Amino acid sequence: TQLLEQSPQFLSIQEGENLTVYCNSSSVFSSLQWYRQEPGEGPVLLVTVVTGGEVKKLKRLTFQFGDARKDSSLHITAAQPGDTGLYLCAETGETNAGKSTFGDGTTLTVKP
Amino acid sequence: NAGVTQTPKFQVLKTGQSMTLQCAQDMNHEYMSWYRQDPGMGLRLIHYSVGAGITDQGEVPNGYNVSRSTTEDFPLRLLSAAPSQTSVYFCASSSFGGSGEQYFGPGTRLTVT
Repeated sequence: TQLLEQSPQFLSIQEGENLTVYCNSSSVFSSLQWYRQEPGEGPVLLVTVVTGGEVKKLKRLTFQFGDARKDSSLHITAAQPGDTGLYLCAETGETNAGKSTFGDGTTLTVKP
Repeated sequence: NAGVTQTPKFQVLKTGQSMTLQCAQDMNHEYMSWYRQDPGMGLRLIHYSVGAGITDQGEVPNGYNVSRSTTEDFPLRLLSAAPSQTSVYFCASSSFGGSGEQYFGPGTRLTVT
């Protein structure tokens, strides 16, 4: 089973600041998903990255997939209180089969 | 589409009691799975299914049973609840041939006393 390490574990910033969170593994990802989870709710998919070096943007969120497909980052520009939540990365594996391995997540708090 | 639905939203059990957590999806997804989430941790896979009649164990299957008689439903049974099963349980579904994206239900918060 692939081990996903996320950092930092906790992050508290002021509204308007920029931030980056990371997801790393010792093994190659076949594909990587980023999810955001708000308190009391289930995770919601933000993006999937598949190709090494890939960059995807979702409004103020920028996702990068490392060239070697062993790491990924999520950068948020001008964070807002609505960005508060738990950010999880997950990897499904080449066989897919509907089962994912999740990192422990980064808990982000954006203060107004 | 309702997506993935779970019932109940909250449940309190006494040690030794049994119960079934319900999960249904209306997206015609082939794959369904159950995860538990404990404080400070990500989601850990309990059981999963690749189609009706086919189930398999995940990372933490002990104390739980599943069955998949239809594409839509994937109930999770706790046979004899233990305090260590206090957790939030999420059901998810995904489609065959996708890149692994999962769609989650709202969760069931279970407390075992």
